[in-house]
Amino acid sequence: AQTVTQSQPEMSVQEAETVTLSCTYDTSESDYYLFWYKQPPSRQMILVIRQEAYKQQNATENRFSVNFQKAAKSFSLKISDSQLGDAAMYFCAYRSASERTGTYKYIFGTGTRLKVLA
Amino acid sequence: NAGVTQTPKFRILKIGQSMTLQCTQDMNHNYMYWYRQDPGMGLKLIYYSVGAGITDKGEVPNGYNVSRSTTEDFPLRLELAAPSQTSVYFCASLLAGFTDTQYFGPGTRLTVL
Repeated sequence: AQTVTQSQPEMSVQEAETVTLSCTYDTSESDYYLFWYKQPPSRQMILVIRQEAYKQQNATENRFSVNFQKAAKSFSLKISDSQLGDAAMYFCAYRSASERTGTYKYIFGTGTRLKVLA
Repeated sequence: NAGVTQTPKFRILKIGQSMTLQCTQDMNHNYMYWYRQDPGMGLKLIYYSVGAGITDKGEVPNGYNVSRSTTEDFPLRLELAAPSQTSVYFCASLLAGFTDTQYFGPGTRLTVL
């Protein structure tokens, strides 16, 4: 079975600085998707970025980028130029790419709470 | 499009009571999901559905039931509520084969006393 591990319960970053959130996963599949979701105090789940496992290039969305290391099964999120609005819980998630093998089920990590210091 | 809507936003139940959490999506998505999120934890899958009339268990299905009679609606039924079911419940949907992005509802905070 697939698992997703976020080993940092909480992280802090100074405003305008860069922070990296870690995520590791375990799977025997070769094709899958990985996601980072943001959950602010409003509880709404917001997709931050996604990565397709068969793509070598790391995904980037404005100030958010990932470091995807497939062999190491690592998927970290880098937030550049941190802003106060980035303060939230961040969840890493895994999804099989194959409906046949994974039935599009998502596995979530336990989350990392990010604090942004003014 | 309203996206994924959930009702109610908050609810307090007494032990042994029953209730139904409503979830509706207007995006014609085939997949729908129910998750629970306990304090300080990630989301755990309760049930999911791949289309009208088809449902299956997730990681934590005990104490819950679902049905999917239409594409739009995916209600979650709690029978004989227990304090262990105190949680925030999220509904989500996905158009499988066309997008890999789940769309989430705003959540329902349920307290069982």
